[in-house]
Amino acid sequence: QVQLQESGPGLVKPSQTLSLTCTVSGASISSGTYYWSWIRQPAGKGLEWIGRIYTSGSTNYNPSLKSRVTISVDTSKNQFSLNLSSVTAADTAVYYCARYGGYRFFDFWGQGTLVTVSS
Amino acid sequence: DIQMTQSPSSLSASIGDRVTITCRASQSISSYLSWYQQRPGKAPKLLIYAASSLQSGVPSRFSGSGSGTDFTLTISSLQPEDFATYYCQQSYSTLALTFGGGTKVEIK
Repeated sequence: QVQLQESGPGLVKPSQTLSLTCTVSGASISSGTYYWSWIRQPAGKGLEWIGRIYTSGSTNYNPSLKSRVTISVDTSKNQFSLNLSSVTAADTAVYYCARYGGYRFFDFWGQGTLVTVSS
Repeated sequence: DIQMTQSPSSLSASIGDRVTITCRASQSISSYLSWYQQRPGKAPKLLIYAASSLQSGVPSRFSGSGSGTDFTLTISSLQPEDFATYYCQQSYSTLALTFGGGTKVEIK
């Protein structure tokens, strides 16, 4: 069974960089069949796709966040990571990592991690 | 970006009711539409992909239909575990994936 687990600081100061890692088990990021994605959800609100990365390192980002987002992959650790720079309170949310593929859907998700932006 | 509009934003229903949720895309997305269920405090769970294909392990009371711009998710007989928020998501525009605003299904 494929499992994803987010990890990283739960509190980030305004203007700093939010950094999260997603560790994948039960599947190899290097398999080349799937994209690995980040999605976020502010409290009480809907889901927002942040971006995705392919095993080759090719990335796609949400145009509204593109200037601040970097997603990278470490195939040796079977992990991928999210960096979001210059954060504000509006970036406070639960951040999910997820696998994207098949007929273009998110089939496996991490449990989510709450990141609060506050001084 | 392709905008996804769900309706209603919330609904109240009883156990055994037939429930229908609608999702409309701002442009044609063919059948590149998925539905997810999210229970409080949990990650979303894939229910339907390609507009009408049931994900493995999902009960058959869930069904999806539509193509182009208009889609529906139907729960044929609402069960206690179905009270949750449901989201649609388009993947036609692969460089800008977008979700609907969600529909919260509550107990009447």
